[in-house]
Amino acid sequence: AQSVTQPDIHITVSEGASLELRCNYSYGATPYLFWYVQSPGQGLQLLLKYFSGDTLVQGIKGFEAEFKRSQSSFNLRKPSVHWSDAAEYFCAVAPYNNNDMRFGAGTRLTVKP
Amino acid sequence: DTGVSQNPRHKITKRGQNVTFRCDPISEHNRLYWYRQTLGQGPEFLTYFQNEAQLEKSRLLSDRFSAERPKGSFSTLEIQRTEQGDSAMYLCASSPGETGGQKTQYFGPGTRLLVL
Repeated sequence: AQSVTQPDIHITVSEGASLELRCNYSYGATPYLFWYVQSPGQGLQLLLKYFSGDTLVQGIKGFEAEFKRSQSSFNLRKPSVHWSDAAEYFCAVAPYNNNDMRFGAGTRLTVKP
Repeated sequence: DTGVSQNPRHKITKRGQNVTFRCDPISEHNRLYWYRQTLGQGPEFLTYFQNEAQLEKSRLLSDRFSAERPKGSFSTLEIQRTEQGDSAMYLCASSPGETGGQKTQYFGPGTRLLVL
C-alpha cells in the first residue's frame, strides 16, 4: 500500500542546534517529494520539493532535504535551528501518474531557548 | 500578494446547519484541491478540479459534501446538515498543472470549522 511515514511525532531541539526530520515513503516508483511547514492555525507553506536530478535540494529558510532512493527516504535538515522554526512539518508525496498527494502525520518541532 | 485565499477563516455552527466555504486560487492555476485536516493529522485529500471539471472525489467526501468551481476560478465547498465529526480545518490548494513542477500545490490559510 502507498504510504508516507514520519516516525517522529514530536522533536525538541535547542536553538542553534542542528535538526533532522525523517520521512519514509512506500510507493511503486519514485514519486514527487515535498516538505511543508505549518504554524498553528495557519495553512501549509512549501519549504522545498524534489522531482529529479540532484538528490540534495535546497529550500527556503535555510532548510535542505536529501532524497535517498535506496532507503525510500526524504529527510529534512537544517544546520542551526531558530526559535521561529517551531511549527509542524509535513512530508508529502505525489505519484507521477495521478494527483493523489499524500501527507505524513507530521512532526511537531519545539525549539528550546 | 496573489496567494491562495480562503473565506471565512473561522466558522462556528450548530449541528444540522449548512455551511459554505470559499477558495480563491492563485490566478491562472487550473487545478484546485480541497483537503480536510483534523487535529494532530496531516491533510487528507477530498476532491480536486481541473478548471471547472471535478475530476476526483475521495471516499471521505460523503453525500453531505458538495464542491463546485463554476467558472474555473474560485471554488466553494458546502457541507449540509453538519455533524460534530465535520469539525476540522478545511484547506484549499492550487497548482499550475498536472505534470512535473506544475504539480506543486500551494495552500491557503484554511477555514477552521467548529460544529457544536
